[in-house]
Amino acid sequence: SQKIEQNSEALNIQEGKTATLTCNYTNYSPAYLQWYRQDPGRGPVFLLLIRENEKEKRKERLKVTFDTTLKQSLFHITASQPADSATYLCALGAYNFNKFYFGSGTKLNVKP
Amino acid sequence: DAGVIQSPRHEVTEMGQEVTLRCKPISGHDYLFWYRQTMMRGLELLIYFNNNVPIDDSGMPEDRFSAKMPNASFSTLKIQPSEPRDSAVYFCASSGDYSSGNTIYFGEGSWLTVV
Repeated sequence: SQKIEQNSEALNIQEGKTATLTCNYTNYSPAYLQWYRQDPGRGPVFLLLIRENEKEKRKERLKVTFDTTLKQSLFHITASQPADSATYLCALGAYNFNKFYFGSGTKLNVKP
Repeated sequence: DAGVIQSPRHEVTEMGQEVTLRCKPISGHDYLFWYRQTMMRGLELLIYFNNNVPIDDSGMPEDRFSAKMPNASFSTLKIQPSEPRDSAVYFCASSGDYSSGNTIYFGEGSWLTVV
């Protein structure tokens, strides 16, 4: 069965540094990968989507890479701020929702 | 758009009671999802609908759980009878099709505590 791995340990970084979160997957060839942000007590909020034929996507301070050979996505937040502190989830999907899975998320703590 | 609307936001009920969670998806979205989130198991897909038809209910834990979508603007998730292990946050979410990027929009969740 498919498996999605995100670092279960919290990532603690200093304000201003670049945060890098990892999403690894096995036994699956997704058509796209998404990243969501979840704050305590709230539902996940969509951030970025990257398709299988794309290597990199950027949105403001966010950057996502997608390596289908390594079966890995990296999510970067540059010039991190305490307001970026949250849990970040990756999600993989096929062309429809027949196979769509969320990772367990990584908690990011940005310290001032 | 008001986003995905869920009710109730919080519910505390006694074991054995029936629980009904409600959801209004974003207008125009073809897909509706019910997820459950706990610390131990993370975000789990329970069931999803496409154009009001249940497509995959393999995540529904057992017969005590049922979901319906009588029309495009309303869905319910029912637990009968409820048990303490059902305590979790239940999210409803909706999405358009692949051309819109399959972005999933979540509601704020229904926090269920079964005592």
